[in-house]
Amino acid sequence: LAKTTQPVSMDSYEGQEVNITCSHNNIATNDYITWYQQFPSQGPRFIIQGYKTKVTNEVASLFIPADRKSSTLSLPRVSLSDTAVYYCLVADSGGGADGLTFGKGTHLIIQP
Amino acid sequence: DSGVTQTPKHLITATGQRVTLRCSPRSGDLSVYWYQQSLDQGLQFLIHYYNGEERAKGNILERFSAQQFPDLHSELNLSSLELGDSALYFCASSVEAGGMNTEAFFGQGTRLTVV
Repeated sequence: LAKTTQPVSMDSYEGQEVNITCSHNNIATNDYITWYQQFPSQGPRFIIQGYKTKVTNEVASLFIPADRKSSTLSLPRVSLSDTAVYYCLVADSGGGADGLTFGKGTHLIIQP
Repeated sequence: DSGVTQTPKHLITATGQRVTLRCSPRSGDLSVYWYQQSLDQGLQFLIHYYNGEERAKGNILERFSAQQFPDLHSELNLSSLELGDSALYFCASSVEAGGMNTEAFFGQGTRLTVV
């Protein structure tokens, strides 16, 4: 089980870039890194996934160093609506209960 | 709209009762996952089905059971309900069996209140 460690909470301001780092020291060769976002009383929403180096989509970037023991979710120019809980998951494509387990996530609060 | 439909949206029932929560996955998705989220426990994985077969079990109580039908919809049965079962229950679906490693889509949840 590649357990993940994230900050419990973070604060930032509108228009800033926010970086949330996740540690996964025991990541396995076949594991991918996936991030989800959850708003109160809603189901989590897939944000981005990567294996190594950098991945970018229309909402975020994911930076993964060569040793893959950590990853950083980068949210450019955040707005108030980015206030949410962000979860980092590490799992391989084989499924199994370990890969389906969410940690406590990072509660990101964006202020005006 | 994620394309995953959960019914009912809200459910209030008494202790000791039994309820059934229903989930219709996105069209074409073969995997269905069930999660329980309460204020003090976070998002807890319960069970995963892929194309009708159970693939993984999490912290699902013996009082809870689930199944996935041939049309791929799934039901989560909760029996002998206790006050502590009050929570949001989410269903998610994905095309593959890879769990949260693949892009999974969550429904809006069923809020269960046990009184």
